[in-house]
Amino acid sequence: DSGVTQTPKHLITATGQRVTLRCSPRSGDLSVYWYQQSLDQGLQFLIQYYNGEERAKGNILERFSAQQFPDLHSELNLSSLELGDSALYFCASSRDTSGGPADTQYFGPGTRLTVL
Amino acid sequence: AQSVTQLGSHVSVSEGALVLLRCNYSSSVPPYLFWYVQYPNQGLQLLLKYTSAATLVKGINGFEAEFKKSETSFHLTKPSAHMSDAAEYFCAVMTGSARQLTFGSGTQLTVLP
Repeated sequence: DSGVTQTPKHLITATGQRVTLRCSPRSGDLSVYWYQQSLDQGLQFLIQYYNGEERAKGNILERFSAQQFPDLHSELNLSSLELGDSALYFCASSRDTSGGPADTQYFGPGTRLTVL
Repeated sequence: AQSVTQLGSHVSVSEGALVLLRCNYSSSVPPYLFWYVQYPNQGLQLLLKYTSAATLVKGINGFEAEFKKSETSFHLTKPSAHMSDAAEYFCAVMTGSARQLTFGSGTQLTVLP
């Protein structure tokens, strides 16, 4: 158990709908990362938040957005869903001590999204 | 830009045989390198990481990897495969101040009895 929790575990929805994925980082971790794992694209970084602020953006679609709340949990919002958005969405967290070596990212179990 | 190439999307070994999973990186600055393992229906678990200390890195479950700058490689090895090692393995790179991981395409390891 990595200490990172994600809900829900599975999500089945229809095209055009909007869903919210939730992530709770490990206690004390300030950074949250979102990754998408799909058969055709592999594992891709979407977005990073650090202590409530957006820090880095990757291949995140404009239909997708995220935020990190004061209690450090994060939500990934996916809207106008398309069939191609079906994937496993992972959240990871790290201490992210600035100036130090790369902190380990601990991954949650993921949310499997199926768009029908 | 940084990238990672994993040679061989599928590797099969016999139980007790050497495991060798290949990873080559491309980076214009000194990289941090990672190996993660993903068991079926689970998240990613860190096996080991290279952060410019020792070039030979030992990880969990008997795995180790050697950073070779001249070959831009970070291959993962284990002397003797166990059935429980069957999983997908991902090599990843992180550079500079950026903290996001760039993953390779993964290698599915099958361990034959």
